[in-house]
Amino acid sequence: AQSVTQLGSHVSVSEGALVLLRCNYSSSVPPYLFWYVQYPNQGLQLLLKYTTGATLVKGINGFEAEFKKSETSFHLTKPSAHMSDAAEYFCAVSLHGSSNTGKLIFGQGTTLQVKP
Amino acid sequence: DGGITQSPKYLFRKEGQNVTLSCEQNLNHDAMYWYRQDPGQGLRLIYYSQIVNDFQKGDIAEGYSVSREKKESFPLTVTSAQKNPTAFYLCASSLAGSTDTQYFGPGTRLTVL
Repeated sequence: AQSVTQLGSHVSVSEGALVLLRCNYSSSVPPYLFWYVQYPNQGLQLLLKYTTGATLVKGINGFEAEFKKSETSFHLTKPSAHMSDAAEYFCAVSLHGSSNTGKLIFGQGTTLQVKP
Repeated sequence: DGGITQSPKYLFRKEGQNVTLSCEQNLNHDAMYWYRQDPGQGLRLIYYSQIVNDFQKGDIAEGYSVSREKKESFPLTVTSAQKNPTAFYLCASSLAGSTDTQYFGPGTRLTVL
């Protein structure tokens, strides 16, 4: 069964510091991977996704993630944190198979705090 | 503007009452989804629908029901059989492929009094 693990439910960084949010997955086939961001009391917004091709994926707001098959990871990074990056971040994997088309399995989420 | 709307944003219900949450999309998406969000648990799939007049149970369907009579609408009913309904409910839609992005509505916060 496919699953997603986000290491660290809370991450705190200083403004201007590197942001690193960790995501590991388990899957019997190469997965499709997504990162979403959620601001308080709002829906989720796609940051970036990996389907095929280049393993380094660039997204919105300066975020990027690298798919590493050997490590079963899809960590999210941003070189310099901004106060507006404070939010909850979710990693998700898309299920394969005709009966599961489009279904996502989400990690538990990581809350990013940015300190001035 | 294209998007997904959910109403109401806040909903209060007395124990033993059924309540229906609205979800409408004008993105011409085939697939629609309902998720429940609880603190520290991520999003859990309640029901999903890939085409009109068809839907499947997700991981936590007990105590919930849905209908998909129109492509743009996917209402969720929280029944009195749901033991712990207080949560944040999110609706999403997509083109239904495994690589397709799910687009989310703003959510409905349901509180049972």
